[in-house]
Amino acid sequence: DMKVTQMPRYLIKRMGENVLLECGQDMSHETMYWYRQDPGLGLQLIYISYDVDSNSEGDIPKGYRVSRKKREHFSLILDSAKTNQTSVYFCASSLSTGRSAETLYFGSGTRLTVL
Amino acid sequence: GQQVKQSSPSLTVQEGGISILNCDYENDMFDYFAWYKKYPDNSPTLLISVRSNVDKREDGRLTVFLNKSGKHFSLHITASQPEDTAVYLCAAGENQGGSAKLIFGEGTKLTVSS
Repeated sequence: DMKVTQMPRYLIKRMGENVLLECGQDMSHETMYWYRQDPGLGLQLIYISYDVDSNSEGDIPKGYRVSRKKREHFSLILDSAKTNQTSVYFCASSLSTGRSAETLYFGSGTRLTVL
Repeated sequence: GQQVKQSSPSLTVQEGGISILNCDYENDMFDYFAWYKKYPDNSPTLLISVRSNVDKREDGRLTVFLNKSGKHFSLHITASQPEDTAVYLCAAGENQGGSAKLIFGEGTKLTVSS
């Protein structure tokens, strides 16, 4: 069963706290992504990972970092969360062996609220 | 600036009618184009995609039209049904560019009224 799993589904944090969002996939996909979705802005790419320890900034990387130590697992870390990082975060994966744009498989999202 | 843009935030269509969703892009290097569908509190899922070597692709009630010279692509949904009500996200990327980045538009909320 092809799946991208995100944990947790909902999270509330206080400003200045550290946040860890986790994502796993069972499809042996090489490429994984973190997006955030905000009203009127659609999905914005935060980071893209082409394989273990091969990560590239997306369009809005500031305030975020990522970790990929195993192919099936990709984490998004917010060191000292800010209120403007309140958003819905989506993880995705794609087969993308040739680093080309293709079908993304999304997780169910994490709704993060920073108070 | 927004590389991929959906200028209509919302669209309402009568049941049985044709829904036309539009998307404009800026990057000449984009050669992969896709439409995703998203229900509230759910994840986006791929509806249909097309590469730049064709200007039209049909799949059941869905047709994607690609106008490369105008940097525009659209999704037509015929015989629209209430279950088509969702947010539709267009996306574009480079097939040969050495990057798997997929850039999304802001989304258009389609409502099919019965």
